[in-house]
Amino acid sequence: QSVLTQPPSASGTPGQRVTISCSGSSSNIGSNTVNWYQHLPGTAPKLLIYNNDQRPSGVPDRLSGSKSGTSASLAIRGLQSEDETDYYCAAWDDSLNGVVFGGGTKLTVL
Amino acid sequence: EVQLVESGGGLAQPGGSLRLSCVASGFTFSTYEMNWVRQAPGKGLEWVSYITYSGLTTYYADSVKGRFTISRDNAKNLLSLQMNSLRAEDTAVYFCARHSGSYWAATFDIWGQGTLVTVSS
Repeated sequence: QSVLTQPPSASGTPGQRVTISCSGSSSNIGSNTVNWYQHLPGTAPKLLIYNNDQRPSGVPDRLSGSKSGTSASLAIRGLQSEDETDYYCAAWDDSLNGVVFGGGTKLTVL
Repeated sequence: EVQLVESGGGLAQPGGSLRLSCVASGFTFSTYEMNWVRQAPGKGLEWVSYITYSGLTTYYADSVKGRFTISRDNAKNLLSLQMNSLRAEDTAVYFCARHSGSYWAATFDIWGQGTLVTVSS
């Protein structure tokens, strides 16, 4: 059972907008920033969003992040087939003195 | 090119030991905190351990505390993970990841490709 809660799956058709939620608590999301990672199994995970809503260079602006209270979300607009993979949220947890990840969301492009 | 390359994975028996290595290149290794993250088969990402740039402060997930030791050699651009008392549930691909920003930001901006550890008799 992951400390951060994500839906196990999400889906959308090409061009659609999808959002992936991430729910935590006061010791993690409520007091620290949230990061989002994309991970295609068998490859190195990739940082998509840091500091709640910042995109590293090279990440397209159709991806965006937000945070409110103890929850965060990743939005992908203009869905493309290449977006079909796994997504994880993560944050530092002050109680555990470590990083906690969500369980991951598998995004399917229909 | 900024790069992290892991090695040292393989097959170990329950109760046995393995030492993982991660060699960094393309950036000033000694100025970055580092982490180990793992992914068990069919499971999600799990943070394992963190070390400050100096090596003086380390943190561990409860699942590995007392069994795993993270360390670094800044002169060799080398991050290590000594894994003792291995269990079947330690079977996973282990990634090293560069930590960007403050420790509480927990931003992993560069990742290696991973090395597979299998614990089985």
